[in-house]
Amino acid sequence: DAKTTQPPSMDCAEGRAANLPCNHSTISGNEYVYWYRQIHSQGPQYIIHGLKNNETNEMASLIITEDRKSSTLILPHATLRDTAVYYCIVRAIGTASKLTFGTGTRLQVTL
Amino acid sequence: KAGVTQTPRYLIKTRGQQVTLSCSPISGHRSVSWYQQTPGQGLQFLFEYFSETQRNKGNFPGRFSGRQFSNSRSEMNVSTLELGDSALYLCASSLGTIPDNEQFFGPGTRLTVL
Repeated sequence: DAKTTQPPSMDCAEGRAANLPCNHSTISGNEYVYWYRQIHSQGPQYIIHGLKNNETNEMASLIITEDRKSSTLILPHATLRDTAVYYCIVRAIGTASKLTFGTGTRLQVTL
Repeated sequence: KAGVTQTPRYLIKTRGQQVTLSCSPISGHRSVSWYQQTPGQGLQFLFEYFSETQRNKGNFPGRFSGRQFSNSRSEMNVSTLELGDSALYLCASSLGTIPDNEQFFGPGTRLTVL
């Protein structure tokens, strides 16, 4: 699975959009981009995933660049409950369920 | 629909002992994966079971083992516990289909080895 690079930490004011970047320059054509988050002392929570098109669900939007070498997770209106570590993961189609977590981005949402 | 459940939630053991952790996946999910989370190493994949067969394995010593039952419930066992085995052990379940394989994590079992 391709390696990802994320900033170690970010701050965001409550009510503003949180834009979390992820670089995956070695991504292969058969690899999806997944985002999970982990709130302190809880299990990771699935957020969204995509292959090459932008995706949106009730939690977030995922913007993948045309060359697929980077992506951005957007939380449109961050709340204090969005404070968590966010993990960007790339995983190949056709592989079993193994997820390779990096160090993630610690997002702090403040008043 | 009930989520992934893990028992026990907390466990204290001493070096040399063995431990068994249990995971009940979401109803209808056939794949169960186990992860270890420590402050130093982060989240690391242990193994995955699908339809009672180990489908994938991480880079952990043979002291770490697991199994899956016909009802998809899974157990993992750690023998001859070491201090470094203190960690949060997470279980994740999924349908097991490929490629869309969204995983749902349980709350974890926090193991402390003294």
